[in-house]
Amino acid sequence: KAGVTQTPRYLIKTRGQQVTLSCSPISGHRSVSWYQQTPGQGLQFLFEYFSETQRNKGNFPGRFSGRQFSNSRSEMNVSTLELGDSALYLCASSLAGEDYGYTFGSGTRLTVV
Amino acid sequence: GENVEQHPSTLSVQEGDSAVIKCTYSDSASNYFPWYKQELGKRPQLIIDIRSNVGEKKDQRIAVTLNKTAKHFSLHITETQPEDSAVYFCAAHLSGNTGKLIFGQGTTLQVKP
Repeated sequence: KAGVTQTPRYLIKTRGQQVTLSCSPISGHRSVSWYQQTPGQGLQFLFEYFSETQRNKGNFPGRFSGRQFSNSRSEMNVSTLELGDSALYLCASSLAGEDYGYTFGSGTRLTVV
Repeated sequence: GENVEQHPSTLSVQEGDSAVIKCTYSDSASNYFPWYKQELGKRPQLIIDIRSNVGEKKDQRIAVTLNKTAKHFSLHITETQPEDSAVYFCAAHLSGNTGKLIFGQGTTLQVKP
């Protein structure tokens, strides 16, 4: 079956702009989580969506937001981009966001200049 | 809050030797512990996982052990091969904390031919 699909793979944005990233989970998976990966901070949890509702949230500013659609696809939005937002953004899908099987997508590499 | 410490940060072994990576978690309510392998420029891939009601799990050359009393778990790779070279991440899932994995800082494993 198809894996987790993230688009686009690469993005270059200017400070102050906003960006939207997309994640299509594995068919049948209803939970989508988003992570930020940087060399300094490692992998950090942003938020999780399940059945179109944000169920869990990490310690990121309100500039980071997301949503989930009825087909479980999820989008993440970052507004007023800062240089420090440059990172690899990964999404992970799982059946229900519990103790089993998180599969990651290939990520979106965001560079803010 | 929940924290995962991973050691060592880098590990270099000769082909055919064994490699061991250790992680410690802080919250005793953690119930699921996956290990991911990430090659340069690629997505984290789940290589093995263990639930809190199991002490050990093995899959060919890879094994994971869990000591709930000491709150630590380890990844063991036997008969290492050059293609095992990658960054390895341990993670912990806290029961009820939906969709959220807390990651260790990663171990860069180099297998020398």
